[in-house]
Amino acid sequence: AQSVTQLGSHVSVSEGALVLLRCNYSSSVPPYLFWYVQYPNQGLQLLLKYTSAATLVKGINGFEAEFKKSETSFHLTKPSAHMSDAAEYFCAVSYYGGSQGNLIFGKGTKLSVKP
Amino acid sequence: DTAVSQTPKYLVTQMGNDKSIKCEQNLGHDTMYWYKQDSKKFLKIMFSYNNKELIINETVPNRFSPKSPDKAHLNLHINSLELGDSAVYFCASSQGRGMPLHFGNGTRLTVT
Repeated sequence: AQSVTQLGSHVSVSEGALVLLRCNYSSSVPPYLFWYVQYPNQGLQLLLKYTSAATLVKGINGFEAEFKKSETSFHLTKPSAHMSDAAEYFCAVSYYGGSQGNLIFGKGTKLSVKP
Repeated sequence: DTAVSQTPKYLVTQMGNDKSIKCEQNLGHDTMYWYKQDSKKFLKIMFSYNNKELIINETVPNRFSPKSPDKAHLNLHINSLELGDSAVYFCASSQGRGMPLHFGNGTRLTVT
């Protein structure tokens, strides 16, 4: 069964510091992996996706994530945090063509950015 | 130009009432979904529709019923509302199962 675990429900960084949000997945077949961002009172917006092409995936707003099969991880990083990055971040897993195929979301990590 | 739009944005109602939430997408996607986000921000899929056929139905009470008049619309009807139904409900669409989701801005349902 698929599942995704986000380590740390709340991460706080200073403006300009490295952002690292952790995501580990459990899947019996090669997964598709996604990161979404949710700003207050809004829906989720796709940041980036991994679909078995390059293992280092670049997304919007300067974020990137690296797929590491050996570690079953898909951590999200950004070299320099900006105040506008403060939001809730969700990792999600699926695999195309499976009997379910729907996205399974992690519990989310709230990112706070201190001035 | 909104890709996935849902109405209303806020819905306050009393226990026992019946309510509906509407969703429309103009992306030409074949699959639409309803997700429930609880007070702890946890997202759980409720339903998905592909070409007007229900393909996923998780452990959701039968008080909840999705209705899809056409490929671009997936409405959510809720009977006999309970306090525990209070949450934010998100509509989403995708090109197919397992593909990236495009979300609406959510409907915050409060049952008093």
